[in-house]
Amino acid sequence: LAKTTQPISMDSYEGQEVNITCSHNNIATNDYITWYQQFPSQGPRFIIQGYKTKVTNEVASLFIPADRKSSTLSLPRVSLSDTAVYYCLVGEKDSSYKLIFGSGTRLLVRP
Amino acid sequence: DAMVIQNPRYQVTQFGKPVTLSCSQTLNHNVMYWYQQKSSQAPKLLFHYYDKDFNNEADTPDNFQSRRPNTSFCFLDIRSPGLGDAAMYLCATSRDRSRGNQPQHFGDGTRLSIL
Repeated sequence: LAKTTQPISMDSYEGQEVNITCSHNNIATNDYITWYQQFPSQGPRFIIQGYKTKVTNEVASLFIPADRKSSTLSLPRVSLSDTAVYYCLVGEKDSSYKLIFGSGTRLLVRP
Repeated sequence: DAMVIQNPRYQVTQFGKPVTLSCSQTLNHNVMYWYQQKSSQAPKLLFHYYDKDFNNEADTPDNFQSRRPNTSFCFLDIRSPGLGDAAMYLCATSRDRSRGNQPQHFGDGTRLSIL
């Protein structure tokens, strides 16, 4: 059964680097991996997207191994305002193509 | 300068009474999506429009329908809401739908309550 899974929660402190991993063992061959951030009572917000190896933008890095069955979102030097739920989104290919959000990781950043 | 706008933010309806949620976008994107998100769960895709082409997910109940009269607007109709349909409904857009899982722009959702 295809599943896109993430750790349920993570704790960190301000200034630390946080790495959140998503397992997507049935990802569609040509599909990108996208990560979103969601605050309570708001829609998800795009963070970063990648296909393979490493991608970096002004807020995060995304690491994707060669087999693409997982990906790791890296947030450098988190602050209190990074407390949110983080989701990966991939297209899964089973009998048909389907966009699937990961189960979500609730990140708590402490002072 | 909100780009994906959902109205209303909160909607209350009665069990079995049809309800319509609306979404508008100023991005001129080709694709519009509707997701259902229940408490402490990930968003679940219900369907999407690529331009005028409607694409229903296999497990979306028939109770859920959608209309897209033009590029800017999309509606979610729930014909006979049940208690299990209480959720946040999220609208999103993307420029394209090419395999590549284009970045999506989300509205802030409509929270639907069923009495």
